[in-house]
Amino acid sequence: DVKVTQSSRYLVKRTGEKVFLECVQDMDHENMFWYRQDPGLGLRLIYFSYDVKMKEKGDIPEGYSVSREKKERFSLILESASTNQTSMYLCASSLSRHRGFGGYTFGSGTRLTVV
Amino acid sequence: AQTVTQSQPEMSVQEAETVTLSCTYDTSENNYYLFWYKQPPSRQMILVIRQEAYKQQNATENRFSVNFQKAAKSFSLKISDSQLGDTAMYFCACHKVIQGAQKLVFGQGTRLTINP
Repeated sequence: DVKVTQSSRYLVKRTGEKVFLECVQDMDHENMFWYRQDPGLGLRLIYFSYDVKMKEKGDIPEGYSVSREKKERFSLILESASTNQTSMYLCASSLSRHRGFGGYTFGSGTRLTVV
Repeated sequence: AQTVTQSQPEMSVQEAETVTLSCTYDTSENNYYLFWYKQPPSRQMILVIRQEAYKQQNATENRFSVNFQKAAKSFSLKISDSQLGDTAMYFCACHKVIQGAQKLVFGQGTRLTINP
């Protein structure tokens, strides 16, 4: 069974802390994504990566950075957490188009609360 | 900018009824995919159905079907014989290629409640 695993289901962090959200996929997917989900706003893309060590900004990258040192792992970093980063964070992965893109596989989400 | 709009924030129907969720999108791509994803209270996003834009035939998966109107850029989801387990958030998404990556743009979501 293919999987995208997010390391934490719930996290509570303090304002100003550095926060790492980890995502691992076992499907040999090229593309990986970080979204945040907020009520009424749907899913908004933070960052994505189409290859190892490659990263591209999404629609709302401010306050975030990412790391992809290995194909299977894509980390989201909040350099200095703020209360407006309280949200649900979803990781997803997909094949490239030439390998048969058919949609995303999602992790089960991390609900982050910054206090 | 590519946008996806779901105009129904919430819907509620009785079990066994048929319900249709609306979605409109805007894209400059010539060949693209459209998706409906389901997010139950467990939070796991699940692919419900996928449509390839070059195919005129509407996709169907068991009780789920779509009405794809390419010219109107409309992509609605019909759930027949609704079940309690269909209660979830439903997201419509349109595919876009950026820097070689297959990116999805999502709508705001529709919260669907199936009542017993």
